[in-house]
Amino acid sequence: ETGVTQTPRHLVMGMTNKKSLKCEQHLGHNAMYWYKQSAKKPLELMFVYNFKEQTENNSVPSRFSPECPNSSHLFLHLHTLQPEDSALYLCASSQETSGSYNEQFFGPGTRLTVL
Amino acid sequence: KQEVTQIPAALSVPEGENLVLNCSFTDSAIYNLQWFRQDPGKGLTSLLLIQSSQREQTSGRLNASLDKSSGRSTLYIAASQPGDSATYLCAVTSGSRLTFGEGTQLTVNP
Repeated sequence: ETGVTQTPRHLVMGMTNKKSLKCEQHLGHNAMYWYKQSAKKPLELMFVYNFKEQTENNSVPSRFSPECPNSSHLFLHLHTLQPEDSALYLCASSQETSGSYNEQFFGPGTRLTVL
Repeated sequence: KQEVTQIPAALSVPEGENLVLNCSFTDSAIYNLQWFRQDPGKGLTSLLLIQSSQREQTSGRLNASLDKSSGRSTLYIAASQPGDSATYLCAVTSGSRLTFGEGTQLTVNP
């Protein structure tokens, strides 16, 4: 266990559905991240939040909408997704200090299938 | 733009063999390099973190080296075991951003 939990672990949804992914970290970190891992492709950074503020959006389509109500919780709201959005979505957290890297701890991921 | 490449994409070895996984990156201006392990359908587990000023790190049967000037890192696994079967990911950091390779899928056969 890394101290980062994600729910649900598996999700199947239709293209017209609205669903949300949840991430919670119990490590006292102040930065949280969403990554997408598609088959045969490297992990792609989607969003970064520092102290609840979004600091990076890596050109992610608007059908993905992140929310960070506090430093321990991160959500990814999904609507009108496409089949190519099917992937493993990973959440991570770290103790963020400006401009330097601190080790990121990853959750187990949510396996999303869009029909 | 940083790009990370891992070779081979897949590797199958008999139990007990020593093996080397390779990682290369295009921009040598990195802060550090990290090796992760990922089991099927699971998240990432950090194995070794090498600071840019270091040349290698060791943890048990694992040894990772870093040559910034040539843009290369290797992960050496000694006396491989079936439990080592997983995908191994290399990632480099610039600032607070991690850039990942596609991974090497390792199978260790009993």
